[in-house]
This record gives sequence, C-alpha cells and structure tokens, in this order.
Amino acid sequence: KNEVEQSPQNLTAQEGEFITINCSYSVGISALHWLQQHPGGGIVSLFMLSSGKKKHGRLIATINIQEKHSSLHITASHPRDSAVYICAAQRPGANSKLTFGKGITLSVRP
Amino acid sequence: DVKVTQSSRYLVKRTGEKVFLECVQDMDHENMFWYRQDPGLGLRLIYFSYDVKMKEKGDIPEGYSVSREKKERFSLILESASTNQTSMYLCASRRGQHNSPLHFGNGTRLTVT
Repeated sequence: KNEVEQSPQNLTAQEGEFITINCSYSVGISALHWLQQHPGGGIVSLFMLSSGKKKHGRLIATINIQEKHSSLHITASHPRDSAVYICAAQRPGANSKLTFGKGITLSVRP
Repeated sequence: DVKVTQSSRYLVKRTGEKVFLECVQDMDHENMFWYRQDPGLGLRLIYFSYDVKMKEKGDIPEGYSVSREKKERFSLILESASTNQTSMYLCASRRGQHNSPLHFGNGTRLTVT
C-alpha cells in the first residue's frame, strides 16, 4: 500500500463546479504539501499545511491530522484549473524527504 | 521569487553515453533534490543534498550519481545512459528548515535511444 494515496485518479468537471480532491496518508507528518503541474512539466507549490485550513483565491486546502486526510477544494472551477494535482507528505525532522502521491488529473470543460 | 533553472528542457542521448543534468537555484537554499517522474508512478526521489558536498540516496539511486560542489548547483549524472532512464527529470530546492515549500525547475525530458 502506498504511503500517500489520492482519489479519484482522474476527474472531469464542468466549468463553474465545486471540485474536491482527496489525499490520505499513512505516515506521521510534519506537513502536507499540495502541488500543481500543468501540461509541459513545471510544478508549482500551492499549499503547505500542518493543521486546519488555508485559502488562496479559489483554492482551499484542509487537513485532519487525526484522520490522516487532506482535501483540496476548487471553487468556481475554470478550464485553466486543468492540471495534475499532487499531494506530498513531509516527514518530521529537519532536511526531511517528501513522499508523493501519484497525482490526480483534473480536466475542467468549458 | 525563487528561480530553479534546469539546463535543458529536452535531451536526446544514446545508450551508453554519460549524461549531465544541471540544476541551479538562486535563493541560497540548503536542500536540493532530483526526482524522476514516470506515468503511473508519480515523482520518485533519486538523490538529495542538504549541504555542499553532502548527498544522500533517495528511493531509486541505481544508475545515477550527483555532485554538489557549490550551494547553488546540483548536478545529476547518468554514468552510462540506458533506455530505462528515459523519463522526465525534475530538480527542486527548499530551505533546510522545518516546513518550507519546495520550488521546482521546469523539468528535463530525457530520451535515451
């Protein structure tokens, strides 16, 4: 079993819909990262959180430490949100490594 | 803004060639990483470095080596390229303190023929 699991594997939505992407992890963490990768390769860090909730524009990330689960929500989705969304668990300790989920491919149709 | 620059966007090499992938970051980050990304497998860590001349093996180091002679530069070396090393290679860096975000380069798509 992978240490970081994401669901669903692929997701198609209509423009304007509210989207939720889930991430479950089985290891102890100091932080959970959400990353976005557009076609062409470049990866951008969206959020890094260790508790509660963070919001940036139309994106909201939440984490439940007890349940070892995080969600990324996209409100009022737009075709430019089409990308691969990756969550990664950061182990405790300085210089710690990240364990990545396999990513969710999101397509938002106009 | 942090900039992580990878020297090549696309690279085609022949089996057996020695291949150098270069990565430079401009924010004085202590930690640097090399990942490869393959369909269905996600990002896998090859090597990382938490200081100059320091390196640690990641999950898939076989067939690779690294060099970090200066803080801003982290090089990945394929001593003798093989076709199973055809992949997207991504470099990343971050501060060497708790819970700092990762900054990625744009990736190098390497094809070994």
